[in-house]
Amino acid sequence: DAKTTQPPSMDCAEGRAANLPCNHSTISGNEYVYWYRQIHSQGPQYIIHGLKNNETNEMASLIITEDRKSSTLILPHATLRDTAVYYCIVGYRSSNTGKLIFGQGTTLQVKP
Amino acid sequence: GAVVSQHPSWVICKSGTSVKIECRSLDFQATTMFWYRQFPKQSLMLMATSNEGSKATYEQGVEKDKFLINHASLTLSTLTVTSAHPEDSSFYICSVTPSGTGGAGQYFGPGTRLTVT
Repeated sequence: DAKTTQPPSMDCAEGRAANLPCNHSTISGNEYVYWYRQIHSQGPQYIIHGLKNNETNEMASLIITEDRKSSTLILPHATLRDTAVYYCIVGYRSSNTGKLIFGQGTTLQVKP
Repeated sequence: GAVVSQHPSWVICKSGTSVKIECRSLDFQATTMFWYRQFPKQSLMLMATSNEGSKATYEQGVEKDKFLINHASLTLSTLTVTSAHPEDSSFYICSVTPSGTGGAGQYFGPGTRLTVT
């Protein structure tokens, strides 16, 4: 079973920041938080990952709480093309054991 | 960025036949690949872990004799759906973790849509 809880859906106005929450209260000390998104009928796309510290890349920012029990993915300026299902996943980093268990994700609808 | 391809992108087959789906890592070598299945309006479900040069590891409830996985090289894994039935109709997606990167994120293929008639 997935180890994360996400709201099933969210709306966001185009140009505004989209903040997607995720709860992972049972995360273990060496598990990472990964975020992926899936646009309709495509394979998932990697967005960002982190362990303890906040992370930022060209796509998004990841804010992880100090107790690591929750995190927030921030898309700073959402566009219509960001409409997708966003998955928050916890998992180990090793390539041999790094299988990802997907939950139901959050369907983000960016509106004009 | 990393590129993973799948072939075919879609396939229609008759019930009882077998279908092979290829997953290729185009930019890097991968000792480990993963196979997922996704039914309409549902999330991805991990089917198996494909290990180069050794047997695949299947998730609970996935029939290894029905879903044959071969990972013969560091850039190619194949999934064969044997004796396909309509309930096997689904979106099959592979993912790759680049070797030597410590598994920092997986790269997914575009998926293969299988329809069994």
